[in-house]
Amino acid sequence: SQQGEEDPQALSIQEGENATMNCSYKTSINNLQWYRQNSGRGLVHLILIRSNEREKHSGRLRVTLDTSKKSSSLLITASRAADTASYFCATDSRYSSASKIIFGSGTRLSIRP
Amino acid sequence: DTEVTQTPKHLVMGMTNKKSLKCEQHMGHRAMYWYKQKAKKPPELMFVYSYEKLSINESVPSRFSPECPNSSLLNLHLHALQPEDSALYLCASSPAGDTAGGRQETQYFGPGTRLLVL
Repeated sequence: SQQGEEDPQALSIQEGENATMNCSYKTSINNLQWYRQNSGRGLVHLILIRSNEREKHSGRLRVTLDTSKKSSSLLITASRAADTASYFCATDSRYSSASKIIFGSGTRLSIRP
Repeated sequence: DTEVTQTPKHLVMGMTNKKSLKCEQHMGHRAMYWYKQKAKKPPELMFVYSYEKLSINESVPSRFSPECPNSSLLNLHLHALQPEDSALYLCASSPAGDTAGGRQETQYFGPGTRLLVL
């Protein structure tokens, strides 16, 4: 079962523009992660934000977390063609002792040259 | 060595075949995972091994049989699969096993095995 829903499902922007993706989840979490997946390949971890953090930066990435709204956003600034990929949020569950994460539905990002 | 490797990259098998997928990591991680991913869908967790013991089975059909021979290796044995089992199978690892309160760490993914069942 999916913990997170992402929107938009697909996003196409011009190179150089900023891309924003949103993730909503259902249950309380310990942390939230964002992953990138190039077509048909493995996932690459981008950033992890803990439930007591509100914002985190890594290079051109900015992640926000609003636990009261159970939502997160991923902002990619100054997009490049190489950013074309699917992006997934992933959450654990504060109420589970099991070591697992559940992925959101994903956003397919396409950067036009 | 900071990568997870998976073999084979591609696999075509008939419904009566027996095959195995292999996954290896040398990062000293103690948790390893199998995921199944259909096209344009997120990865779905199948199994979790923690300290070489199966800790989570997400109600996966018995035609999928995981095995963790040692802390670096993870296998997925396939038998009598159905065409709907065709998918990308991803292996991942993370540093620690089950942690208190379910706090999850970063997972490191292999490139996947693309499986086609005819």
